[in-house]
Amino acid sequence: AQRVTQPEKLLSVFKGAPVELKCNYSYSGSPELFWYVQYSRQRLQLLLRHISRESIKGFTADLNKGETSFHLKKPFAQEEDSAMYYCALTNSGNTPLVFGKGTRLSVIA
Amino acid sequence: DAGITQSPRYKITETGRQVTLMCHQTWSHSYMFWYRQDLGHGLRLIYYSAAADITDKGEVPDGYVVSRSKTENFPLTLESATRSQTSVYFCASSESMLGDREVGHTEAFFGQGTRLTVV
Repeated sequence: AQRVTQPEKLLSVFKGAPVELKCNYSYSGSPELFWYVQYSRQRLQLLLRHISRESIKGFTADLNKGETSFHLKKPFAQEEDSAMYYCALTNSGNTPLVFGKGTRLSVIA
Repeated sequence: DAGITQSPRYKITETGRQVTLMCHQTWSHSYMFWYRQDLGHGLRLIYYSAAADITDKGEVPDGYVVSRSKTENFPLTLESATRSQTSVYFCASSESMLGDREVGHTEAFFGQGTRLTVV
């Protein structure tokens, strides 16, 4: 079965410090991985997807199939990064998104 | 307005009552989804639909009913509400099943959520 694990419920960092939100998955096929973000009082929205290999708002995430991980990273955290972050997975073309439990990032000024 | 909208935004209902949460999207997306968001559980899929008149169960379908008579609407009904169904409900839509390499990469667009309290 597909599973996404986000081990940290809450992560607090100081402004300007590096951030790493961990995501591990279990899936035997070729998964598609995503990061979604939910800012305060806003709807959930896509942050980035592994297939695009893009950097959004300074965030990057690399799919490591050997470690089955898709950690989200940013070298210098900003206060506006404070939000709830969800890692999500889908089978290539066949299944709805499966979400992790989420990590709340708090950036302290 | 274009987009995906949910109604109501907030709802308080009593145990045993039937309640329907509405979801409407204006993009004519084929796929629509209902998730519930709970502390400690993240988002869990309740039901989803690939097209009008086609629905499938997700991870936590018990106690819920859905229908998709029109592409743009995907209502979620709690037939007899229980306190364990107190949650925030999110509807989402997407052009194709997420990660479909043939169609092209796409994302799910989420509604603003409905906070349901069952007392």
